[in-house]
Amino acid sequence: KAGVTQTPRYLIKTRGQQVTLSCSPISGHRSVSWYQQTPGQGLQFLFEYFSETQRNKGNFPGRFSGRQFSNSRSEMNVSTLELGDSALYLCASSPTGGSSGANVLTFGAGSRLTVL
Amino acid sequence: SQQGEEDPQALSIQEGENATMNCSYKTSINNLQWYRQNSGRGLVHLILIRSNEREKHSGRLRVTLDTSKKSSSLLITASRAADTASYFCATLLTGANSKLTFGKGITLSVRP
Repeated sequence: KAGVTQTPRYLIKTRGQQVTLSCSPISGHRSVSWYQQTPGQGLQFLFEYFSETQRNKGNFPGRFSGRQFSNSRSEMNVSTLELGDSALYLCASSPTGGSSGANVLTFGAGSRLTVL
Repeated sequence: SQQGEEDPQALSIQEGENATMNCSYKTSINNLQWYRQNSGRGLVHLILIRSNEREKHSGRLRVTLDTSKKSSSLLITASRAADTASYFCATLLTGANSKLTFGKGITLSVRP
């Protein structure tokens, strides 16, 4: 079956702009999590969505938001971009997520955002 | 601060040698997982060990968990050049709706 698909793979934006990233989970997976990966901070948890509801949230400012659709596809949005938002944004899906089951994540290849 | 911290930060070995990577964490966990990431790509799940387990094997991988010391180790036996990647431990805390928290990773280089 198809893996987790993230689009776009690469994008360049300038400070102050906004960006929307998309994630299509594995068919049947209802939980989608987003992580930001930078060389200095490693993987930082952004948020998790399950059945169109945000179930968990990391310590990021309100400029970072997300949503999940009824088909489990998810988008994340970053408004008023800053230089420090340059990172690899990873989406991961799992059947149920949270603390139930094994919560093993299947990751997409990521969206590489560069903010100039 | 990170829940899971890997050690060492970087490891370079010769092909055929064993690679041992360690992970320490701070609070009680539901399970601990190891993932691998090839340069600039997504992470791939390797193995999961539950809090009530002490050791698990998967092919050339062996994971141990010591909950009293809040630590885990990943052993890759007979390493290959293709094992060159970054390795991350991730912990799932106890409690409802817990999220998977990753360490900063270990860079493993296997020299041919």
